[in-house]
Amino acid sequence: DIQLTQSPSLLPASVGDRVIITCRASQGISTYLAWYRQEPGKAPELLIYAASTLQTGVPSRFSGSGSGTEFTLTISSLQPGDFATYYCQQLNFYPFTFGGGTKVEIK
Amino acid sequence: VQLVESGAGVVQPGRSLRLSCEDSGLTFSVHAMHWVRQAPGQGLEWVAVISYDGNYKNHADSVKGRFTISRDNPKNTLYLQMNSLRPEDTAVYYCAREITVAGPDRRFDTWGQGTLVTVSS
Repeated sequence: DIQLTQSPSLLPASVGDRVIITCRASQGISTYLAWYRQEPGKAPELLIYAASTLQTGVPSRFSGSGSGTEFTLTISSLQPGDFATYYCQQLNFYPFTFGGGTKVEIK
Repeated sequence: VQLVESGAGVVQPGRSLRLSCEDSGLTFSVHAMHWVRQAPGQGLEWVAVISYDGNYKNHADSVKGRFTISRDNPKNTLYLQMNSLRPEDTAVYYCAREITVAGPDRRFDTWGQGTLVTVSS
């Protein structure tokens, strides 16, 4: 199975901060990577797919990059609703594994 | 609201439960569908997939031989039959719709609200 390692696992930040979350795959997955945001008690919400394509309706402060084994999710200016947990997911090989999550909390 | 799960409950170890996920949209029969679960306070775990026509299924090793994914396209409904339940199966179970395309653009674009399964004696 492909392992996805996210870092950091906890990210203290303030409104307006630029934040970067990293996701590393245990083997190459091309750009078969998606990012989701999950608020407490809610279902995950798709932000980015194919490593860098913004899902329709998602604000442009979110961006993704990377290919192969190294990927990043960047939030250019953190907003109040962005304090949540973020997950990467690979969709190249079954099982479609998720990273362990990065919780962005208020500093 | 497009995907609505049902079937939540508390069940004893070793017993069975069936979850349902009804799609209120018009395109259920063209999408592969998945189940994903999340244990309390933990991350997301992919559970199973079924192709748009039901001819392909795949299950995570952690549930293989105990859980079975299925679908009824005329009823716009996805199912997860869970047998021989264990305490470690306690989780919120989400159904998710896959946008299936050639290449890396595949993604889970729509999720249900989740349904809680608790396995406890």
